[in-house]
Amino acid sequence: DIQMTQSPSSLSASIGDRVTITCRASQSISTYLNWYHQKPGKAPNLLIYAASNLQSGVPSRFSGSGSGTDFTLTISSLQPEDFATYYCQHSYGPPYSFGQGTKLEIK
Amino acid sequence: EVQLVESGGGVVQPGGSLRLSCAASGFIFRDYEMNWVRQAPGKGLEWVSYISSSASTIYYADSVKGRFTISRDNAKNSLYLQMNSLRAEDTAVYYCARLWFGNFDDWGQGTLVTVSS
Repeated sequence: DIQMTQSPSSLSASIGDRVTITCRASQSISTYLNWYHQKPGKAPNLLIYAASNLQSGVPSRFSGSGSGTDFTLTISSLQPEDFATYYCQHSYGPPYSFGQGTKLEIK
Repeated sequence: EVQLVESGGGVVQPGGSLRLSCAASGFIFRDYEMNWVRQAPGKGLEWVSYISSSASTIYYADSVKGRFTISRDNAKNSLYLQMNSLRAEDTAVYYCARLWFGNFDDWGQGTLVTVSS
């Protein structure tokens, strides 16, 4: 099974900061990589699919890149509503494993 | 508008059983692959099970294989998860999630399952 590892596990940042979260797959997954964010008590929400494609309705300050085993999610200018937990997930066939999550907190 | 509404969660003793349901609306349910994803309290997301649109292909996480059964009724626009031999480590919020080209593009609000004596 493919394992997904995110870093960092937690991150403190300020409004307006540029933030990058990384995700590494245990084997090559081409661009079969998705990003979600989740706020407390809510279901996850899809942000980026196929490594770099912005889901409809997601602000353009979110972007994704990478292929193979290494991927990044970048938020260009943090807004108050962006403080949440972020997860990567591979879609290289079932099982569809997730990264352990990155909690983004206000500094 | 896509809606996924889970039900059937609750408190059950170790070794017990529970059946979760997910009612779908706002899209052509029979055209989509569906999944269950869970989240233990304070923990991350764990994929649980997958079912193809026609129910011909099914997968499970190793942690639930042999104990959980996923099914669907396309005539009723519903997804199910039969959970047997429940353990404390199965305590979690269970989400149904629609699969679209390998990503979970819509999720329900979740239903809490607590396994405790």
